[in-house]
Amino acid sequence: TQLLEQSPQFLSIQEGENLTVYCNSSSVFSSLQWYRQEPGEGPVLLVTVVTGGEVKKLKRLTFQFGDARKDSSLHITAAQTGDTGLYLCAGEKDQFYFGTGTSLTVIP
Amino acid sequence: NAGVTQTPKFQVLKTGQSMTLQCAQDMNHEYMSWYRQDPGMGLRLIHYSVGAGITDQGEVPNGYNVSRSTTEDFPLRLLSAAPSQTSVYFCASSLPGTDTQYFGPGTRLTVL
Repeated sequence: TQLLEQSPQFLSIQEGENLTVYCNSSSVFSSLQWYRQEPGEGPVLLVTVVTGGEVKKLKRLTFQFGDARKDSSLHITAAQTGDTGLYLCAGEKDQFYFGTGTSLTVIP
Repeated sequence: NAGVTQTPKFQVLKTGQSMTLQCAQDMNHEYMSWYRQDPGMGLRLIHYSVGAGITDQGEVPNGYNVSRSTTEDFPLRLLSAAPSQTSVYFCASSLPGTDTQYFGPGTRLTVL
């Protein structure tokens, strides 16, 4: 059983569209991270959120940590082809638990 | 800095064979870990180490052994490979008290 469930599992959108990826759990985490992974490479950390309700922005990416620290979302504005990749959330308890992943394809 | 390096990049084994996946980092990170990545399941922690001489089990440790004789190296051993161990394996390292894990490029292992 996965501790963190991500939705959707696959997402294919046109360049310029907006999208939101969700990361949900019934467990409380001390922090939550988002990673992006390209084919044939390891994940790369995008952001860490620590406080319930926290919102962080990274250019066109907006990350939010739920008030109860059980869930998170990643919103991308005006998607670009360079955003294509696998997005993973990871929650920290006694160790890091990774989500199931969302594979994003941005079509030019 | 080479960062985190892993060898080999690809490996095919027969059931019952043994092998060691190598991981090295040149950033003087004390914390190192091994994950496996399977489709639809994200990354799952196999073993981790908080420093030389100290290792501990993660979420899915069965079938794998580790040791940490130096700060730089953290090899993962499969004593008797099984088809269920077919996966992509990632090594990661970080400084204690920080939240940034640096991942290697991965080893794609197939067990026939």
